[in-house]
Amino acid sequence: QVQLVESGGGVVQPGRSLRLSCAASGFTFSTYGMYWVRQAPGKGLEWVAAISYDGSNEYYADSVKGRFTISRDNSKNTLYLQMNSLRAEDTAVYYCSKDLVLYRTRVMGYWGLGTRVTVSS
Amino acid sequence: QTVVTQEPSFSVSPGGTVTLTCGLTSGSVSPNYYPSWYQQTPGQPPRTLIYSTDNRSSGVPDRFSGSILGSKAALTITGAQADDESYYYCALYLGSGIWVFGGGTKVTVL
Repeated sequence: QVQLVESGGGVVQPGRSLRLSCAASGFTFSTYGMYWVRQAPGKGLEWVAAISYDGSNEYYADSVKGRFTISRDNSKNTLYLQMNSLRAEDTAVYYCSKDLVLYRTRVMGYWGLGTRVTVSS
Repeated sequence: QTVVTQEPSFSVSPGGTVTLTCGLTSGSVSPNYYPSWYQQTPGQPPRTLIYSTDNRSSGVPDRFSGSILGSKAALTITGAQADDESYYYCALYLGSGIWVFGGGTKVTVL
């Protein structure tokens, strides 16, 4: 059974950094593309970043490009999101998601429960 | 900048049928955009309903179906039930490593 468990959220001051983790189990992590998606309070879903199954390709939304870095450790079955220079508008629940098809990065499929990030002084 | 459009809200009677759409501010949606649909109730993570236009995700009832209607992707709920009352989001892959969600449609069953 696919499980994705996000962690690392919390309250952080503007301009500081935070690293989110997503522990994956129940599937062969190294064969699926992975995603981070966020949802600001009372707002819709926003795609943040994606990474290919082997980590060779990274993709970012314009809103986070240059500040956030997605990475993965296939030996630890873990996805990461390093968030630097945080802004108030980065306040959101951050969800980890896996693709539905082997070796592909095209569609967000299974979802974790999310971790909340609040950027406030 | 390309924006993905969805109806803000829809109301459907129990047992009725409703079709939600997902379009682009410029151009037409095709299967090449891998349209997908997600259901979300407040406080819960999204649930994937449909991916790659018309493929139902595991465990999704067959009253949910996806298609391309004209220039848009569409999600049809046939025989709506009370627990279908949710927010529904579509997402499109625009290519070159860019994904965009629509603003979501709030569906009320009454």
